[in-house]
Amino acid sequence: NAGVTQTPKFQVLKTGQSMTLQCAQDMNHNSMYWYRQDPGMGLRLIYYSASEGTTDKGEVPNGYNVSRLNKREFSLRLESAAPSQTSVYFCASSQDRAGNQPQHFGDGTRLSIL
Amino acid sequence: AQSVSQHNHHVILSEAASLELGCNYSYGGTVNLFWYVQYPGQHLQLLLKYFSGDPLVKGIKGFEAEFIKSKFSFNLRKPSVQWSDTAEYFCAVIRTGGFKTIFGAGTRLFVKA
Repeated sequence: NAGVTQTPKFQVLKTGQSMTLQCAQDMNHNSMYWYRQDPGMGLRLIYYSASEGTTDKGEVPNGYNVSRLNKREFSLRLESAAPSQTSVYFCASSQDRAGNQPQHFGDGTRLSIL
Repeated sequence: AQSVSQHNHHVILSEAASLELGCNYSYGGTVNLFWYVQYPGQHLQLLLKYFSGDPLVKGIKGFEAEFIKSKFSFNLRKPSVQWSDTAEYFCAVIRTGGFKTIFGAGTRLFVKA
């Protein structure tokens, strides 16, 4: 059982380039989330999708867009990468809203913007 | 705004020492509380959770946490740590039924063998 799968695991971009981070879960979960993890700041929610077909902003959505392609997949797009977006990105999913069920996390994507 | 404060950013212990990591949150409504652990190079894993009922909750690997509502605290404890407990620990809070989890900044625990 793969759980939550993120691709790629590592990526280096130049400022201004675009990039899509992919996330897929095989647990038939309804809700999916994108976080960024920065040193000393814990995880911060970028966007979430309560269910297929819906997306909402989290704590730090600026500079990002998301797509809930189907129930399994939830992608995060950086249209014009900036050095401030250098971070580790985690995708997560939960059966129900995170307020009712714990989240399952992927292995992360380490993204560096030069 | 909701916030989560973890008191210690770095903790160094010897094996067999007792552990207590502090976590306080600010939110006036009903919340669910979590502790997640991130071992080096790995993703976050659920250690334990509190939704309701007995405020003393037990998790995996001998960890437990106590929810004290009057103090807005959810401290993590383990009587005797092992070298394999070296990891980063995150406290997290979410409004019951909500979608937006608020994470603390994390506590890096290093256990000396």
